[in-house]
Amino acid sequence: DAGVTQSPTHLIKTRGQQVTLRCSPISGHKSVSWYQQVLGQGPQFIFQYYEKEERGRGNFPDRFSARQFPNYSSELNVNALLLGDSALYLCASSFGSNTEAFFGQGTRLTVV
Amino acid sequence: AQTVTQSQPEMSVQEAETVTLSCTYDTSESDYYLFWYKQPPSRQMILVIRQEAYKQQNATENRFSVNFQKAAKSFSLKISDSQLGDAAMYFCAYRSADYYYSGGSNYKLTFGKGTLLTVNP
Repeated sequence: DAGVTQSPTHLIKTRGQQVTLRCSPISGHKSVSWYQQVLGQGPQFIFQYYEKEERGRGNFPDRFSARQFPNYSSELNVNALLLGDSALYLCASSFGSNTEAFFGQGTRLTVV
Repeated sequence: AQTVTQSQPEMSVQEAETVTLSCTYDTSESDYYLFWYKQPPSRQMILVIRQEAYKQQNATENRFSVNFQKAAKSFSLKISDSQLGDAAMYFCAYRSADYYYSGGSNYKLTFGKGTLLTVNP
């Protein structure tokens, strides 16, 4: 079975641009969460979606938004990119709330 | 808000030896879950072991075991018979029980800053 897949794997953007990151959960998983991992730090929670509804939001500015589609895949959008948005963005999926979360390999975003 | 602290930025161990990674956390909740994740250079976070706070028995997964001290809010990971493949960044993480959330579903993980484990041949 395919694991959590994220695309693209690497991305370079210019300050002020917008970016969309994509995540496909494991088949049958209805929950998708997004995390930002800055170099040398642990991942920070950005969003959780469950059954296409936002169920949690971390302490991130409104420039960050996300959505979940009927097939449970998800997109994370970041507008007006700042240098500080450079990070590894991780997506995790789980079947339900009380089950293990499986992570993708992440998207490495570099803002120049 | 919950916080997770890993006080050892780096640790090293000889192959076949045992190493213990430390983690403390702060919470006012009584029911929660604790995890250790491994992140190798491939970047993918891999679950190593999970502990439910209501369980007194320490979790064990093959060479990996935890020492869960709920009153002290401590959750250390012991790796026995260390192997070269164990070299990675290790993160301790916390998750609240679902009933703390009105939506009834939660998968927010709060991570520590990580411990880089080196295994020497």
